[in-house]
Amino acid sequence: NAGVTQTPKFQVLKTGQSMTLQCAQDMNHNSMYWYRQDPGMGLRLIYYSASEGTTDKGEVPNGYNVSRLNKREFSLRLESAAPSQTSVYFCASRVWPNSYEQYFGPGTRLTVT
Amino acid sequence: QQQVKQSPQSLIVQKGGISIINCAYENTAFDYFPWYQQFPGKGPALLIAIRPDVSEKKEGRFTISFNKSAKQFSLHIMDSQPGDSATYFCAALTTSGTYKYIFGTGTRLKVLA
Repeated sequence: NAGVTQTPKFQVLKTGQSMTLQCAQDMNHNSMYWYRQDPGMGLRLIYYSASEGTTDKGEVPNGYNVSRLNKREFSLRLESAAPSQTSVYFCASRVWPNSYEQYFGPGTRLTVT
Repeated sequence: QQQVKQSPQSLIVQKGGISIINCAYENTAFDYFPWYQQFPGKGPALLIAIRPDVSEKKEGRFTISFNKSAKQFSLHIMDSQPGDSATYFCAALTTSGTYKYIFGTGTRLKVLA
């Protein structure tokens, strides 16, 4: 039982390049989330998926797209990376509706130059 | 728009002392208040959580105090240990709402040996 896994762990992009951050969970959770963490800003929700087949915007969705591929996987895509997207990205999952606890992955550290 | 305000930004405590971190919220629809602990290079992990129908919840050395009328809640770490050195985030959720967690900006705690 690996919990929530994220790939890659580290990535450096040039401005304008695209990439997809991968997230998978093996806990049979319904809901999945993408956050970014910046110094002094805490965790800010980018997108979430309440259940398979649904996605919705969070607090800071601009510049990102998501895909809930199946119940296990939720990917985050940067179509044209910008230096402002330099951050640590966390994926999380949650059982719904029986529990409110979120389980976080180890994070992806992204630098855009 | 920051809906959960957390203080202090950083905290240094002697081993055996009490660490206190405070959070204040604005939205009275919030009804679930967790605290997450994050070690360097790791994702956040749930530490303890409270619902507004109780004023205090204790789990080992960790206690949440909740003041509904003041819209404030705090984390107390008794007998603080060097192993408690981490970043702590408060958060808030409306359980009947849109699954969107709002996180505070984080407190970096250092416990001196």
